[in-house]
Amino acid sequence: AQRVTQPEKLLSVFKGAPVELKCNYSYSGSPELFWYVQYSRQRLQLLLRHISRESIKGFTADLNKGETSFHLKKPFAQEEDSAMYYCARGSNYQLIWGAGTKLIIKP
Amino acid sequence: DAGITQSPRHKVTETGTPVTLRCHQTENHRYMYWYRQDPGHGLRLIHYSYGVKDTDKGEVSDGYSVSRSKTEDFLLTLESATSSQTSVYFCAISEGTGDGPGVAFFGQGTRLTVV
Repeated sequence: AQRVTQPEKLLSVFKGAPVELKCNYSYSGSPELFWYVQYSRQRLQLLLRHISRESIKGFTADLNKGETSFHLKKPFAQEEDSAMYYCARGSNYQLIWGAGTKLIIKP
Repeated sequence: DAGITQSPRHKVTETGTPVTLRCHQTENHRYMYWYRQDPGHGLRLIHYSYGVKDTDKGEVSDGYSVSRSKTEDFLLTLESATSSQTSVYFCAISEGTGDGPGVAFFGQGTRLTVV
């Protein structure tokens, strides 16, 4: 079965420290991969899409096909980055979702 | 924000009653989805639609049914609400690409409490 794994339910780092949110996916061809973010009591919104190779709000994510990973990184965390982060991959008509990582940035 | 709205935003209902949640889009996207979001489980797909009158089950479809009679509306019905269906429900839409569903846009969510 197609799977997306986010091994950390909770990640807490200090403001200004680097952040890495891990995401691994089950291998199947060339996946369509995404990171979504959900701020407190708001709707989910797209943060990054692997094909765009953009940096959004200072976050980047690199697709590593050899390790089947799509980790999300930011060199210097800010307090406004505190949110729930979800990794997802496209599969036919659906998106397969990881369980999410709650990121807390401590002042 | 993409043109996607959910109604109602909040609802409290009694066990055993039917409940219908509505998702309305103005983007003419092909794919529509209903998810539930629960602590510790992330997002779980209930049902999805890949066109008018074309729907399929997700991983947690028991106790739920859907209908899509026109492109813009996707209805989720809890046939007989139970306390385990207390959750936040999100609708999402996507346009689709040749390789997959494409970017998903989400509604604001419906907080449903079954008492």
